[in-house]
Amino acid sequence: DAGITQSPRHKVTETGTPVTLRCHQTENHRYMYWYRQDPGHGLRLIHYSYGVKDTDKGEVSDGYSVSRSKTEDFLLTLESATSSQTSVYFCAISPLTSGRRNEQFFGPGTRLTVL
Amino acid sequence: AQKITQTQPGMFVQEKEAVTLDCTYDTSDPSYGLFWYKQPSSGEMIFLIYQGSYDQQNATEGRYSLNFQKARKSANLVISASQLGDSAMYFCAMILDTGRRALTFGSGTRLQVQP
Repeated sequence: DAGITQSPRHKVTETGTPVTLRCHQTENHRYMYWYRQDPGHGLRLIHYSYGVKDTDKGEVSDGYSVSRSKTEDFLLTLESATSSQTSVYFCAISPLTSGRRNEQFFGPGTRLTVL
Repeated sequence: AQKITQTQPGMFVQEKEAVTLDCTYDTSDPSYGLFWYKQPSSGEMIFLIYQGSYDQQNATEGRYSLNFQKARKSANLVISASQLGDSAMYFCAMILDTGRRALTFGSGTRLQVQP
């Protein structure tokens, strides 16, 4: 158990409203990631963070912003939700320990529906 | 940019038989890692196996083995003695050893194990 939680686990919202998803880890890992999962696409990287206040964009970052003010929390914000952002969102952390040093652990996911 | 291709959207296998799930990758970077994740209907992402690009031997984890053919850029997952609980989506993913260390996923293969 990598100690990753996501909140909320499910959310239904309306087009145009702001939405914030939270990822919380208990083990102080440096690297954190947000992915979205859509049918036929696997998981795609939205944003990632390599430390407090250090973030960068992934392949599908349009319409999303992130913040990391503490090591343990990585927030994903949809400033004005659109129906195309209906998806399952996964947070992941990378311990970068020896052995399987590239392994990433995933949170349970957040199912977001934008009506 | 790296790319992962999984050409089998769905596969069937009889219980207790072996099955191979295909994965090809593309990258110009010499140092990378390859993963397989399992996603059951409950939605969580479960790590199965990891292969580093410089690893001399194919990775094995219990009933899972990774058939790594570097020259062909393939990283097929072999599941031996299939069980009903193996029915799930399976994702191949790649990570570069430098930079952002984010995963690039294939589109997945849905495996159904039949009794």
